[in-house]
Amino acid sequence: DAGVTQSPTHLIKTRGQQVTLRCSPKSGHDTVSWYQQALGQGPQFIFQYYEEEERQRGNFPDRFSGHQFPNYSSELNVNALLLGDSALYLCASSSATGGGTEAFFGQGTRLTVV
Amino acid sequence: AQSVTQLGSHVSVSEGALVLLRCNYSSSVPPYLFWYVQYPNQGLQLLLKYTSAATLVKGINGFEAEFKKSETSFHLTKPSAHMRDAAEYFCAVRIPGGTALIFGKGTTLSVSS
Repeated sequence: DAGVTQSPTHLIKTRGQQVTLRCSPKSGHDTVSWYQQALGQGPQFIFQYYEEEERQRGNFPDRFSGHQFPNYSSELNVNALLLGDSALYLCASSSATGGGTEAFFGQGTRLTVV
Repeated sequence: AQSVTQLGSHVSVSEGALVLLRCNYSSSVPPYLFWYVQYPNQGLQLLLKYTSAATLVKGINGFEAEFKKSETSFHLTKPSAHMRDAAEYFCAVRIPGGTALIFGKGTTLSVSS
């Protein structure tokens, strides 16, 4: 079992650009959540996808959008990048069935905006 | 609204000493609570979870936590610290209606020999 995989591991973007991050959930999981972790802070919930729809959303602007594919993988898109978007972006997967109490995290994508 | 507060951004202990990391929660419904650990440049690993069953929860690597409703606390303990326990620890509460989490700001645990 490969667990939750994220790509790329690192990337550098210029202010104003757009970026797409990708996540493949753990085998058997159908729900994907995205978090932003700024340096020295705890992860902050961005949004959650289930059945290809956004089910829950945290307090993030519309510049942050996502998508879930039929195979349950997911993308996080950020438009008009700001310097403050520099962070570790974490993907977590879980199962909506069987209780769904536990989320498994990927290693994250380190985004640097210059 | 759900929230967690971790008391103490940095805790230092000697190897073999007791580890105590504090977490208090606020929840409008019976909470699901979690402790995660994060090693440098890595994702989060689940240590243990409370899901309204036993109030004393045992996790991996010798950690345990006790849910105390009267104190709205879910403190993490380990009887004897090891050097490999040095990491960032996060307490989290589940947002009702799904599996998304609200995290505390984290506590850095340092272990000295």
